[in-house]
Amino acid sequence: NAGVMQNPRHLVRRRGQEARLRCSPMKGHSHVYWYRQLPEEGLKFMVYLQKENIIDESGMPKERFSAEFPKEGPSILRIQQVVRGDSAAYFCASSSSAASDVLTFGAGSRLTVL
Amino acid sequence: DAKTTQPTSMDCAEGRAANLPCNHSTISGNEYVYWYRQIHSQGPQYIIHGLKNNETNEMASLIITEDRKSSTLILPHATLRDTAVYYCIVRTPNSGYSTLTFGKGTMLLVSP
Repeated sequence: NAGVMQNPRHLVRRRGQEARLRCSPMKGHSHVYWYRQLPEEGLKFMVYLQKENIIDESGMPKERFSAEFPKEGPSILRIQQVVRGDSAAYFCASSSSAASDVLTFGAGSRLTVL
Repeated sequence: DAKTTQPTSMDCAEGRAANLPCNHSTISGNEYVYWYRQIHSQGPQYIIHGLKNNETNEMASLIITEDRKSSTLILPHATLRDTAVYYCIVRTPNSGYSTLTFGKGTMLLVSP
C-alpha cells in the first residue's frame, strides 16, 4: 500500500522557468492538500482539492501558482516564471474524507530556483 | 482553531520517556488535540489525536488534562529516530475540511 507519492523529489529551475510538481494520493483518497515550507519556517497551507475541483486556494499566491487534480492522474502544482523566493519544500497530503484531520503526507518536492 | 504554545526545544536520552507539553488554554469543547511530527527532510507524520480521554497507540500516548487546557505527548522509550519537530494542533473536526495550521513546534533531540 504505497503512501503519498511526490515527484520529482528535487527540482532545480532558473528564474523565469516553470516548475511542475506532481502528487499521487494514497489509494482510495480523493482529497489532496498542498503545503509549502520555506527554509527555516513552518508549513503553510496552500490549496485543497477534490477530484476535478479546487475547494480552497486561500493559501496560494494569486499569481503564477495554480493547482489541479484531474479525474485521471496525479494532482499537479504548477509554478510559472519562478523566482528565487519560490525555493522551498512543497508537501502534498491526502485524506480519505473531507472531514478527516488525519492527513498522510508525501516526502515532499524540493524546489531550488537559481 | 485554538492557539497552542509549545517549548522551542527539548532534549531526551535514548531509551527514556520523552514528555512533550502543549498548552491550549483557549480550547473549546468540540476541539480535538492532534500531534504530528516532522523528521528532518521528510514530510509530516500523524502521531495521535484525542478529545478528552487519554489515548494510546503504537507510537505514543496522549494525556489531556481534565480542564483540557493542556496536554502531553509521551514517547515511552525514545530512540534516535524520534529526533524531530513535534507539532501540537488544535482543530475542530467536521468543520468542512482540514487545513491544518502548523506552528513552530518543539524540536526534540534524542541523544545516545
